[in-house]
Amino acid sequence: NAGVMQNPRHLVRRRGQEARLRCSPMKGHSHVYWYRQLPEEGLKFMVYLQKENIIDESGMPKERFSAEFPKEGPSILRIQQVVRGDSAAYFCASSPRRLSYNEQFFGPGTRLTVL
Amino acid sequence: GQQVMQIPQYQHVQEGEDFTTYCNSSTTLSNIQWYKQRPGGHPVFLIQLVKSGEVKKQKRLTFQFGEAKKNSSLHITATQTTDVGTYFCAGPVYDTGNQFYFGTGTSLTVIP
Repeated sequence: NAGVMQNPRHLVRRRGQEARLRCSPMKGHSHVYWYRQLPEEGLKFMVYLQKENIIDESGMPKERFSAEFPKEGPSILRIQQVVRGDSAAYFCASSPRRLSYNEQFFGPGTRLTVL
Repeated sequence: GQQVMQIPQYQHVQEGEDFTTYCNSSTTLSNIQWYKQRPGGHPVFLIQLVKSGEVKKQKRLTFQFGEAKKNSSLHITATQTTDVGTYFCAGPVYDTGNQFYFGTGTSLTVIP
């Protein structure tokens, strides 16, 4: 059973470009969570999605950031017009049920560097 | 807002010494989970505690969940170099479950 997959593992963008981060949850998992981790800091919740639905996006910046989890294909976190402050590791995690009752399995992360 | 603090932020121990990290939430948590993240790696689930006052053991690791479900601790007996990493507690605020709050983490260095 393959684990959570994220790609790319490393992404370099210049200021103003768009960054697209992909996350394929574990087989059978329909709940996906995105987190951001700044260097030397903990993980900050961004958004919680189920298939075709955004359940909670209260942790996501209002502008430039968006997320989706379509019926088919991976979940995508999109950052438009990136700025240097967006440089961070972005992790997604998946679980088979709502997180209150289940552990979450993390992907290897995407390290975003904005030049 | 909701905060989950961990102390200490950093801990250096000699191999063989014990280590404890403490996790305190500003509000009641439905459950508490612990994760370990190696340098450059991703968080890996260690354990989940659900009941008030619960204690669980995994070999040299002992986990506790406070009576009020607002604090927790992780104790490692006789540390080994393989224990190096950052330990995070995490949990959903009681009766919400959508957001998962991670603690600030404790970075453990084990000196051989």
